[in-house]
Amino acid sequence: SQKIEQNSEALNIQEGKTATLTCNYTNYSPAYLQWYRQDPGRGPVFLLLIRENEKEKRKERLKVTFDTTLKQSLFHITASQPADSATYLCALKLNDYKLSFGAGTTVTVRA
Amino acid sequence: DADVTQTPRNRITKTGKRIMLECSQTKGHDRMYWYRQDPGLGLRLIYYSFDVKDINKGEISDGYSVSRQAQAKFSLSLESAIPNQTALYFCATSDSQGTGTDTQYFGPGTRLTVL
Repeated sequence: SQKIEQNSEALNIQEGKTATLTCNYTNYSPAYLQWYRQDPGRGPVFLLLIRENEKEKRKERLKVTFDTTLKQSLFHITASQPADSATYLCALKLNDYKLSFGAGTTVTVRA
Repeated sequence: DADVTQTPRNRITKTGKRIMLECSQTKGHDRMYWYRQDPGLGLRLIYYSFDVKDINKGEISDGYSVSRQAQAKFSLSLESAIPNQTALYFCATSDSQGTGTDTQYFGPGTRLTVL
């Protein structure tokens, strides 16, 4: 069966350090992968999309990589700040209608 | 004003009651979705609609129904609420005519508690 797995444990890091989150998938061949941010009690917000023919994508302090051979995406937050504390979700499109989400990884950045 | 709004934001109801959650959007998107989120389980798709005349079941549609009253409005009903429907419910939209990636835009959520 198709499956999406993210870091199961919460990530606690010191301000200024780089947070690295993983998203692994099985039995998919997605054309692209998306990352969302979710704050407590709020809806997810789209951050970045990376296509299968792109190795890396950047947006400000965020960097996403996509390795279709390993079936893995890495999400990096560089120079992290307490305001980056949130849950981050990866999402893959299975077919024309369904965007499947991982359970998310919670990041806490300590000042 | 928010692009995707949901009402109510919080609701407590009793087992067996019928309840409706409403979603409105001003983004002009044609596609709308209802998800539920439970701790540790991520987002699960309940129903989706690609246009006013198109309604489709998602992975967990049992016990739910939907209505697409207009392109901008998509409501979710629980016909007879049960305690395991206690969850956070999100409406989302996407644009089939945009980048073709179905990036989802979520509402603020409705926290539903069924006693």
